[in-house]
Amino acid sequence: EPEVTQTPSHQVTQMGQEVILRCVPISNHLYFYWYRQILGQKVEFLVSFYNNEISEKSEIFDDQFSVERPDGSNFTLKIRSTKLEDSAMYFCARGRLVETQYFGPGTRLLVL
Amino acid sequence: RKEVEQDPGPFNVPEGATVAFNCTYSNSASQSFFWYRQDCRKEPKLLMSVYSSGNEDGRFTAQLNRASQYISLLIRDSKLSDSATYLCVVILPAGGTSYGKLTFGQGTILTVHP
Repeated sequence: EPEVTQTPSHQVTQMGQEVILRCVPISNHLYFYWYRQILGQKVEFLVSFYNNEISEKSEIFDDQFSVERPDGSNFTLKIRSTKLEDSAMYFCARGRLVETQYFGPGTRLLVL
Repeated sequence: RKEVEQDPGPFNVPEGATVAFNCTYSNSASQSFFWYRQDCRKEPKLLMSVYSSGNEDGRFTAQLNRASQYISLLIRDSKLSDSATYLCVVILPAGGTSYGKLTFGQGTILTVHP
């Protein structure tokens, strides 16, 4: 499968700061997702994005989170005011089909 | 009840052993089932889909029992490189309230030793 790029690979931020995580998926993929994994815990769904709109979001995805595909290529996850508990690995996933999701290498976010 | 439940292990087996992982899911409407593999601090990677008729990919065999809401993965002739966390994943049907949300189990840790 073609590679999905995520940037940055690591980010350290202070509590209350805004962070933007980026994913560069393959252009012909229709479905985009963000998941997160807190250290030692299971992978959790955050949000799905289809046809340039949010199609589903979890309870975790509150008003502090937003997603965009600003230039038709990059797919971003923004956390407006980070909390300590936002520290996690954030994975972007994409697919041409709903059932075939391939994950990027992740961004490790540490909130101090 | 957890949406997807797995025995966390760890399973420690010698090379060449056969090992089986089990998983149960709570939502009977779940339509698609997968096993993913996750290496330490890496992204989940799709290992195989799981079909009602059962399916095999080399040393890996997956089974699904819809009546019992139970999924299994069998690894034969274990290799050192099989050491990883194995994630059971289910998905609700696309459309309706779901557009492919993957629901993960907590994973089962496998260590294969020489």
